[in-house]
Amino acid sequence: AQKITQTQPGMFVQEKEAVTLDCTYDTSDQSYGLFWYKQPSSGEMIFLIYQGSYDEQNATEGRYSLNFQKARKSANLVISASQLGDSAMYFCACLRSGGSYIPTFGRGTSLIVHP
Amino acid sequence: SQTIHQWPATLVQPVGSPLSLECTVEGTSNPNLYWYRQAAGRGLQLLFYSVGIGQISSEVPQNLSASRPQDRQFILSSKKLLLSDSGFYLCAWSEGRGRQPQHFGDGTRLSIL
Repeated sequence: AQKITQTQPGMFVQEKEAVTLDCTYDTSDQSYGLFWYKQPSSGEMIFLIYQGSYDEQNATEGRYSLNFQKARKSANLVISASQLGDSAMYFCACLRSGGSYIPTFGRGTSLIVHP
Repeated sequence: SQTIHQWPATLVQPVGSPLSLECTVEGTSNPNLYWYRQAAGRGLQLLFYSVGIGQISSEVPQNLSASRPQDRQFILSSKKLLLSDSGFYLCAWSEGRGRQPQHFGDGTRLSIL
């Protein structure tokens, strides 16, 4: 079974600064994918970024990057130049290969961006 | 491009009444479909998922049921709602193969009175 741990229930950051949201995972699979989602107060879940377990380079999508450290089983999300609109819940998830269609989600981290 | 529609956005129902939430996906075929429930301030709880028409897997025993009458239609139902059914319900889809992300609908806020 997989497990996702997000140890930060809440984070605060000043606008325009960078922030790192932690995610560690526990899986015995060799092939898997890691995902980050954003959930604003309106409720919709928005896919942000994906990292494959065999990808050698860290994934980047605009202001989002994923700090992937496979040996430590961590997949931290880095948001650069924070904006007020980044205030939301952020969820980390893991999906193993080999026929599983069900990702395992962490409990989420609440990010508040201060002006 | 693919889109997912979920309705209604908000629903207030009395205890014991029936429920039907609908979700449709456009722009793709044979998607994996999911129903999640999220209690206030909590994570996602997977309720049902489907990998094809008529194929429904239940993750949690409850008084809810799901059906997939068409390839891109997923329905969450109940014959008699309980107070504990209150919550935020999210429908999602993903590509059928590989490590693909899920794409979510806007959600339904269900309040049981």
